[in-house]
Amino acid sequence: DTEVTQTPKHLVMGMTNKKSLKCEQHMGHRAMYWYKQKAKKPPELMFVYSYEKLSINESVPSRFSPECPNSSLLNLHLHALQPEDSALYLCASTTQGVNTEAFFGQGTRLTVV
Amino acid sequence: AQSVTQLGSHVSVSEGALVLLRCNYSSSVPPYLFWYVQYPNQGLQLLLKYTSAATLVKGINGFEAEFKKSETSFHLTKPSAHMSDAAEYFCAVSEGNTDKLIFGTGTRLQVFP
Repeated sequence: DTEVTQTPKHLVMGMTNKKSLKCEQHMGHRAMYWYKQKAKKPPELMFVYSYEKLSINESVPSRFSPECPNSSLLNLHLHALQPEDSALYLCASTTQGVNTEAFFGQGTRLTVV
Repeated sequence: AQSVTQLGSHVSVSEGALVLLRCNYSSSVPPYLFWYVQYPNQGLQLLLKYTSAATLVKGINGFEAEFKKSETSFHLTKPSAHMSDAAEYFCAVSEGNTDKLIFGTGTRLQVFP
């Protein structure tokens, strides 16, 4: 199994809602990542978990809250988002860090209304 | 800090023509370099990576890239374009041991029949 699975594929939420994005991999990878991608732009790193511990937070607003319950799961909790947070949210995982191949999920298309 | 620059946000070729997508890097240490492809509404898929083992790197789907230290380049080529190659291509460099993957701004490849 060489897949990173993200759910849901699409999400529409209001600015007062609380929702969560989920990412799962069963490749035994030790690092997992959240990226945000706006239209026609490259992915921007948000968070990195290494061995289930948060190792990088790229000064992301607190309305985004990551969680790594175990080595296979990564969540992104969303609360009080703004319309400008609408984007494609990508999850990725690597076996030994970014110098090895990063496997990406298909992303969650988030629209904040 | 490491960075990559992709020259040309759009490249158009005819089916069967040579594909050349340009990437230049900036790094104070030997870099790890990658090319990723993204099809519409999809995640990213690794095409190939340079890890200093060989300067000419062969990847999937007939793509290859040559690392040229003297030119600080890592251009992506394919001898004969296929319609299915139409996508967004990202060059990326990993930032040392920080678990950061730095993406270029991307090049959209269009293939005409």
